[in-house]
Amino acid sequence: NAGVMQNPRHLVRRRGQEARLRCSPMKGHSHVYWYRQLPEEGLKFMVYLQKENIIDESGMPKERFSAEFPKEGPSILRIQQVVRGDSAAYFCASSLLNSPLHFGNGTRLTVT
Amino acid sequence: AQSVTQLDSQVPVFEEAPVELRCNYSSSVSVYLFWYVQYPNQGLQLLLKYLSGSTLVESINGFEAEFNKSQTSFHLRKPSVHISDTAEYFCAVSAHHQGGSEKLVFGKGTKLTVNP
Repeated sequence: NAGVMQNPRHLVRRRGQEARLRCSPMKGHSHVYWYRQLPEEGLKFMVYLQKENIIDESGMPKERFSAEFPKEGPSILRIQQVVRGDSAAYFCASSLLNSPLHFGNGTRLTVT
Repeated sequence: AQSVTQLDSQVPVFEEAPVELRCNYSSSVSVYLFWYVQYPNQGLQLLLKYLSGSTLVESINGFEAEFNKSQTSFHLRKPSVHISDTAEYFCAVSAHHQGGSEKLVFGKGTKLTVNP
């Protein structure tokens, strides 16, 4: 049973480009969460989604960031017009309702 | 809102020594408590959790943590560490019944280094 799959593992973007991060949850999991880990910091909650719905986006920056979890396919975290401060590790987690989270190995975004 | 404080950013110990990684939290509501471990360039793995019941919880690899409500603490302990325990450890909380959301609030992490 495959775990949470994130790709790419590493992503390099120049300032102003777009970054698209993908997350396939564990089989049978319908809840997806995105977290961001800045250097020397713990993980910060960004957004919680269920299929085709954003449930809680209280941790998402107001501009340039968006997330979706379509009926078919992976969840996507999209960052438009990236800046150096967006450089971080982005982790996706999935779960069943009211169950502990299972994390992917993350996507490490570097903005040059 | 909840917050988590991990008092030690780095803990170096020798192999076979005991270790305690400290975690304190604050919350105005009842919480669930978790410890996650992160090995280099990997995601977080759940080490153990406190949901209810016995305040002492154990993992399969010898770690244990005790929920202390009066001190709002959930310290992680192991009586004898191995080189392979070298990793970063994160304490986390989530509030009960957030509409099914397991929105976790994490501490900044403690890097445990086990030396031979």
